[in-house]
Amino acid sequence: GAVVSQHPSRVICKSGTSVKIECRSLDFQATTMFWYRQFPKKSLMLMATSNEGSKATYEQGVEKDKFLINHASLTLSTLTVTSAHPEDSSFYICSARLADSSYEQYFGPGTRLTVT
Amino acid sequence: GQNIDQPTEMTATEGAIVQINCTYQTSGFNGLFWYQQHAGEAPTFLSYNVLDGLEEKGRFSSFLSRSKGYSYLLLKELQMKDSASYLCAVRAKGSRGSTLGRLYFGRGTQLTVWP
Repeated sequence: GAVVSQHPSRVICKSGTSVKIECRSLDFQATTMFWYRQFPKKSLMLMATSNEGSKATYEQGVEKDKFLINHASLTLSTLTVTSAHPEDSSFYICSARLADSSYEQYFGPGTRLTVT
Repeated sequence: GQNIDQPTEMTATEGAIVQINCTYQTSGFNGLFWYQQHAGEAPTFLSYNVLDGLEEKGRFSSFLSRSKGYSYLLLKELQMKDSASYLCAVRAKGSRGSTLGRLYFGRGTQLTVWP
């Protein structure tokens, strides 16, 4: 089946620093990748939709200057949390959709970000 | 907009059957998904319904009624490893004529299976 990886799986950073999270589709090409965040015992909240070669589409309330998304190739999308604050601590999950798939998204294993 | 509602918690015993309900209100429906998520892990795909009726896949079945905005996930012969959060997600119709819209997730139902 389709495999999506995320790196790092866990990261701890200090307030004010930036953190980059990578999302890779390992055995398929993904024209569209999605970035979610999830707070404890809450559901997944879509942050942005990332299309290869074009600007990401951000959901309402998500600051595009704070959460930088780059989808430079069909197998890699990156999320950079800039000037991180403790309230940015969360579980960040990416998913990728097969280029010709009609419906399914494949999720990465997630990245636990803790900002101290 | 989208509104997806499912129970917060459910409990059941090993070997039993449990039904997790999901109701939704959507401005454009293009399929309903069920995912399983263990704590600290990413969701894994369980089922997909786009037409009315029951889809069976081993111990798991999913039902959809589009006219009622209702779905359920049925888990049979429960095992301890089935303890997890079960997420109902609705796919909206995409923009600009595309049918590949985004997913809207419910809050998830935390299922605990007791021995």
